[in-house]
Amino acid sequence: GQQLNQSPQSMFIQEGEDVSMNCTSSSIFNTWLWYKQDPGEGPVLLIALYKAGELTSNGRLTAQFGTTRKDSFLNISASIPSDVGIYFCAGQPRFGNEKLTFGTGTRLTIIP
Amino acid sequence: EAGVAQSPRYKIIEKRQSVAFWCNPISGHATLYWYQQILGQGPKLLIQFQNNGVVDDSQLPKDRFSAERLKGVDSTLKIQPAKLEDSAVYLCASSLSRASYEQYFGPGTRLTVT
Repeated sequence: GQQLNQSPQSMFIQEGEDVSMNCTSSSIFNTWLWYKQDPGEGPVLLIALYKAGELTSNGRLTAQFGTTRKDSFLNISASIPSDVGIYFCAGQPRFGNEKLTFGTGTRLTIIP
Repeated sequence: EAGVAQSPRYKIIEKRQSVAFWCNPISGHATLYWYQQILGQGPKLLIQFQNNGVVDDSQLPKDRFSAERLKGVDSTLKIQPAKLEDSAVYLCASSLSRASYEQYFGPGTRLTVT
């Protein structure tokens, strides 16, 4: 099946720093989604992207649909303690069924 | 707007026992999903319903897992008999329709099989 590779697997940053993470696939995707999951909770949808090159913001979060349609990027500006959690990308492949494929996640930790 | 509700939040059972999880999607959402999330991994789709019909159950271990959505609203997922490797978080999600890929998740049920 489809696989999504997320990078980095984990990040340790200081409060106030900017964060960048990405998600890549070996095949073309029609839709990219970014979710955040807190411990003991379900994933929460942050941003949805539907067109190659699309750049969408949600507060301090900005995500981009890569022009090759095989990758997506998420940036967080001026990180705050509540940004801690696991960030998952998810994509709907161009070919195949409607099923979303999830990445393995990027764990964000803020160092005091 | 109320989110996706799931119960129970936690369940501990012994192997070979049975267990059931319940999900109530967001009102008006026609599509319902059950995912399994093993520690350290992303969610993996088990089954997708459109109203009360199954759209995709290709990754559901049908020898032990079953799910239903009889009235096209809430849904139950059952495991019988459970195995140690079934220990995971079971997430329910819903979306407005099959055409919408924006899925909204419930808090999940953490299952521990001993």
